[in-house]
Amino acid sequence: GENVEQHPSTLSVQEGDSAVIKCTYSDSASNYFPWYKQELGKRPQLIIDIRSNVGEKKDQRIAVTLNKTAKHFSLHITETQPEDSAVYFCAAGKSGGGADGLTFGKGTHLIIQP
Amino acid sequence: DGGITQSPKYLFRKEGQNVTLSCEQNLNHDAMYWYRQDPGQGLRLIYYSQIVNDFQKGDIAEGYSVSREKKESFPLTVTSAQKNPTAFYLCASSLSPGQNNSPLHFGNGTRLTVT
Repeated sequence: GENVEQHPSTLSVQEGDSAVIKCTYSDSASNYFPWYKQELGKRPQLIIDIRSNVGEKKDQRIAVTLNKTAKHFSLHITETQPEDSAVYFCAAGKSGGGADGLTFGKGTHLIIQP
Repeated sequence: DGGITQSPKYLFRKEGQNVTLSCEQNLNHDAMYWYRQDPGQGLRLIYYSQIVNDFQKGDIAEGYSVSREKKESFPLTVTSAQKNPTAFYLCASSLSPGQNNSPLHFGNGTRLTVT
């Protein structure tokens, strides 16, 4: 089955700096890669996703890159703000993105230092 | 917000008792899921259901049971056979799994403590 590794487990950055979270996956058939943000005590929420037919996707300060050959994808957050502090999960899956095929990473606790 | 309601938010049970966690959605989603979240473990899939009256085991189904009698509801029972039931349980739903752009929508979770 699919195996998703996520690094680092904790990331502390100064406010205004950039943050990068990296994930690798093992199944070359995976074609859908979402990222979820979970604030303390709240539900995970989708912040961005990418499919295997593109290499990069941006949404304001957030971007995701995908390298299918190397089987890794990354989340980039620029100009970090205090509200970016949360746990971020990557996932990899097949088909249309239904969770029966999704495997999650173990999460990265992002801390934004003022 | 989100259209998925989990209740209760906190649940306490004695060891050896079965307990049922509620999950209701009004998003008209076909698929529903139960995840377990433990510190440092990410999200692990317990059970999922793609259609009414049908469900499949996830990665850690032992000690759990589910039913899907209605499209809107997917209750999870944590049985006494689950060796380590204390955890945060998240319910989620999505459109038909075969459709593109069908991300997961999560409920607010139920924190179960068994003593």
